[in-house]
Amino acid sequence: RKEVEQDPGPFNVPEGATVAFNCTYSNSASQSFFWYRQDCRKEPKLLMSVYSSGNEDGRFTAQLNRASQYISLLIRDSKLSDSATYLCVVVEGNFNKFYFGSGTKLNVKP
Amino acid sequence: SAVISQKPSRDICQRGTSLTIQCQVDSQVTMMFWYRQQPGQSLTLIATANQGSEATYESGFVIDKFPISRPNLTFSTLTVSNMSPEDSSIYLCSVEYLGVGANTEAFFGQGTRLTVV
Repeated sequence: RKEVEQDPGPFNVPEGATVAFNCTYSNSASQSFFWYRQDCRKEPKLLMSVYSSGNEDGRFTAQLNRASQYISLLIRDSKLSDSATYLCVVVEGNFNKFYFGSGTKLNVKP
Repeated sequence: SAVISQKPSRDICQRGTSLTIQCQVDSQVTMMFWYRQQPGQSLTLIATANQGSEATYESGFVIDKFPISRPNLTFSTLTVSNMSPEDSSIYLCSVEYLGVGANTEAFFGQGTRLTVV
């Protein structure tokens, strides 16, 4: 079983739509959670951290559900520039080891 | 945050040859990490490069195939040895910093896109 699992998509949505991604993780002892964004042929870049209390940054909202071991990313009012692959990242505490999901591809269409 | 310079950005190599990828960080870091990302796949950790000691390799990766150097706290190299087409991938170096809320965040170099022919 993979440590982190994501729906690969692609999610094809019109501009202005709201879209949500989920990600599940297998290790209940995982301590830190992130969403990274990866544009085509570019390196991953941190989008936002995911806190137990939830985290909102403009149009982006990330939430953590420890009981069900999943994290989510909600994007409101989608823009063309949001088109990218979104990577779910889980960090296991003992050695700060990062586990990456395979990414969910988002295409925002005009 | 960190500024990480990785080179080359891309290369096309003949099978059987070796390629060395360099990673330079703008500040001192204890550990540097090397990842591989195959097309449409997740990032897979190859090894952790520790200054002053041998690198720690993940399952499925060995030093003879992926020798790593870490001569100081700002620089590391990864060599892909005796390449075959299966080594065609993107290779990324990474460092980790404490971010907001004391979470450790990962920052990446621009990646090296390797094609083996």
